[in-house]
Amino acid sequence: DAGVIQSPRHEVTEMGQEVTLRCKPISGHNSLFWYRQTMMRGLELLIYFNNNVPIDDSGMPEDRFSAKMPNASFSTLKIQPSEPRDSAVYFCASSSAGTGHTGELFFGEGSRLTVL
Amino acid sequence: SQQGEEDPQALSIQEGENATMNCSYKTSINNLQWYRQNSGRGLVHLILIRSNEREKHSGRLRVTLDTSKKSSSLLITASRAADTASYFCATGLTGNQFYFGTGTSLTVIP
Repeated sequence: DAGVIQSPRHEVTEMGQEVTLRCKPISGHNSLFWYRQTMMRGLELLIYFNNNVPIDDSGMPEDRFSAKMPNASFSTLKIQPSEPRDSAVYFCASSSAGTGHTGELFFGEGSRLTVL
Repeated sequence: SQQGEEDPQALSIQEGENATMNCSYKTSINNLQWYRQNSGRGLVHLILIRSNEREKHSGRLRVTLDTSKKSSSLLITASRAADTASYFCATGLTGNQFYFGTGTSLTVIP
């Protein structure tokens, strides 16, 4: 299995532009998570999906952030409009939830976003 | 941090020594996991301990959990230069949510 695949790996954009980050979870996993990592705040859980349905988006910082999971093999995190304080590494992770599964998270390599 | 905090923030040891990292958390948990992150990479799962367990071993890793004190420790024995990384604890709450601590940066000097 190729693991969790994120794109782009690096994105540099200007303030006000729309940013879309993409994630392909591991096949067969039914939970997907978006995290944001910064030096100041560490790893923050933004939103997670179970069976393609958003379960908890309380970590999404503002209305400028939105996430979708149209099917079991694809998710997007969109920031519109982007601001310099959104600069961070965004991680996608997937897991198999449910009886008998450990809930171990498998992370992608991250998308490093820089907003100028 | 949404849940846990690791201590110390940074640790530097000589190769062959043992490294101990601690994690404190705030609420009741179902399980606690430790992850490792190499510079510029994603996190990799190391070990999981359930709330009804007190100690667990995996290779050179030993994890303890004290739910009364809401704390856990990760011991890496006979450290190697390749163990240099950041280590995070993640607490599993109800449902399938995991919250990460702030991490301990470990440097193992050859």
